[in-house]
Amino acid sequence: DTGVSQNPRHKITKRGQNVTFRCDPISEHNRLYWYRQTLGQGPEFLTYFQNEAQLEKSRLLSDRFSAERPKGSFSTLEIQRTEQGDSAMYLCASSFGPSTGGANVLTFGAGSRLTVL
Amino acid sequence: TQLLEQSPQFLSIQEGENLTVYCNSSSVFSSLQWYRQEPGEGPVLLVTVVTGGEVKKLKRLTFQFGDARKDSSLHITAAQPGDTGLYLCAGGIPANSGYALNFGKGTSLLVTP
Repeated sequence: DTGVSQNPRHKITKRGQNVTFRCDPISEHNRLYWYRQTLGQGPEFLTYFQNEAQLEKSRLLSDRFSAERPKGSFSTLEIQRTEQGDSAMYLCASSFGPSTGGANVLTFGAGSRLTVL
Repeated sequence: TQLLEQSPQFLSIQEGENLTVYCNSSSVFSSLQWYRQEPGEGPVLLVTVVTGGEVKKLKRLTFQFGDARKDSSLHITAAQPGDTGLYLCAGGIPANSGYALNFGKGTSLLVTP
């Protein structure tokens, strides 16, 4: 297994266009997370799947953001009608539930960097 | 929202110096994790601390979890240029039927030769 894979690594788009990012998690991981990271900040939690079920989406930044994980494997994050403020690194992480002591260890991908012109 | 405050935000030191970075919160966490992130890459887990008062060592890195499980520190002895990166602490937050991690803003460390 090569870890968590994200594509594309970089995306430059014009304001108003839609963009989609893909995440392929570690195959045996049942949990998948999307985070956004802007320059100088820590990752900001957006949404979370357990298998194909999206269990938390209240932290998605607006209704322009949506995520899917149709078969419980790969996931996509779509941003519609992009705005310049959407420029950021979008990180995907996966895990296999809590480890001992309740700590949920996340393995992150390298991220997809979005630039909105 | 369970906020994690990290300090200092930036730290620039010379090779061989010691340093400590802090992660504080008003909330109690069942566990805290420390990650290190290099430019253009995702965060990589360094350690998980679970028990109040716990101390874990990873080579030149020493991690401590506060007795009340509200704070944590990372101490690096004899820093090296390879230690340069963004150090993030993270604690669990409620997520419907599950668990997610909330991150602090990070401490950006630069170690110069």
